[in-house]
Amino acid sequence: AQSVTQLGSHVSVSEGALVLLRCNYSSSVPPYLFWYVQYPNQGLQLLLKYTSAATLVKGINGFEAEFKKSETSFHLTKPSAHMSDAAEYFCAVRRVGGFKTIFGAGTRLFVKA
Amino acid sequence: EAGVAQSPRYKIIEKRQSVAFWCNPISGHATLYWYQQILGQGPKLLIQFQNNGVVDDSQLPKDRFSAERLKGVDSTLKIQPAKLEDSAVYLCASSLEGTSGAITDTQYFGPGTRLTVL
Repeated sequence: AQSVTQLGSHVSVSEGALVLLRCNYSSSVPPYLFWYVQYPNQGLQLLLKYTSAATLVKGINGFEAEFKKSETSFHLTKPSAHMSDAAEYFCAVRRVGGFKTIFGAGTRLFVKA
Repeated sequence: EAGVAQSPRYKIIEKRQSVAFWCNPISGHATLYWYQQILGQGPKLLIQFQNNGVVDDSQLPKDRFSAERLKGVDSTLKIQPAKLEDSAVYLCASSLEGTSGAITDTQYFGPGTRLTVL
């Protein structure tokens, strides 16, 4: 069965600092991987997705994620945090050819001024 | 383009009462999803429709939860009777296709309905 583990339920960074949100997946074959962001009282919005075309994936709002098969990881990064990045971030996995998306528990990002 | 609409946004009920949520997906989207998001957890798929047919309802507690998507457009999710553990945000999402496994098929989420069961 597929699953994702997000390390750290809360991450706090200073404005302008590097953002690193960790995600590890469990799957017998490399799956499709996603990062979503959820702002307060809103639904989830897709940030980026891994399609196996390139290991480094660029998304919206300056975020990017790198697929590392050897580490079964898909960590999300942003070089410089902005106050508007404060939100909850979810990593998700879907089997290639499948249609069911499994979400991680989420990591809440706090950005300090 | 209008997004996924959900109502109500908030609902407070007592246990053993009934409640219904409504979702209107993005126009033209064939697939509709209902997720349950308990505080501190990621969304969990309850049911997935392709047009008006059910694709997956393996995690829907069928003794108390029901959902329908008449005419393959909007959908309602009902809980009867509600339990304390049903307190959660219920998210509706839609996608253009959904069951083909196409990576390009992005899910678009509504704002959710926050249910509190007292």
